[in-house]
Amino acid sequence: GENVEQHPSTLSVQEGDSAVIKCTYSDSASNYFPWYKQELGKGPQLIIDIRSNVGEKKDQRIAVTLNKTAKHFSLHITETQPEDSAVYFCAAPKGGGATNKLIFGTGTLLAVQP
Amino acid sequence: GAGVSQSPSNKVTEKGKDVELRCDPISGHTALYWYRQSLGQGLEFLIYFQGNSAPDKSGLPSDRFSAERTGGSVSTLTIQRTQQEDSAVYLCASSFPGPAGQFFGPGTRLTVL
Repeated sequence: GENVEQHPSTLSVQEGDSAVIKCTYSDSASNYFPWYKQELGKGPQLIIDIRSNVGEKKDQRIAVTLNKTAKHFSLHITETQPEDSAVYFCAAPKGGGATNKLIFGTGTLLAVQP
Repeated sequence: GAGVSQSPSNKVTEKGKDVELRCDPISGHTALYWYRQSLGQGLEFLIYFQGNSAPDKSGLPSDRFSAERTGGSVSTLTIQRTQQEDSAVYLCASSFPGPAGQFFGPGTRLTVL
């Protein structure tokens, strides 16, 4: 079955710097990779996703890259702001996308220092 | 439009009592999921409903946990004879069919005394 590993578990950056969070997956058939942001006391919020037919996707200060050969995908946040501070989760579909079920990474606590 | 809603937002109960947690998914979403999140931890999958198919219950931790989805919409997660280790935030999410983003509710924080 699918296994998702996420690194680092904690990340501290200065405001304005970039932050990168990496995830690896095990099932080469996986075809959909979402990223979620969870603020304290709230449910996870989908912030960006990528499908396996593209290598990169951008949305303002957020981008996700996918390397299917190496089976890893990364979240890039540029020009970080204090409001970016949160826990970020990556995910990949269980069964390679044959079902809706997602396997989540263990999360990265991002702290943006003003 | 309205997102996923959950009720209650907080529930405090005594050990041994039964609790029911409710989830209202986004209209039109045929898939519904329940997760559990302990303090500072990741998301633990509990159960998944897809349309009229039999639910995937593979994540339920014990037979004290059950869930229903009535009319393909609202879902209720029931925990019988609650234990202190059941204390956690219970999150519900919904999505369209196929690999797609899941949209989460705000969660129900359950505390078992």
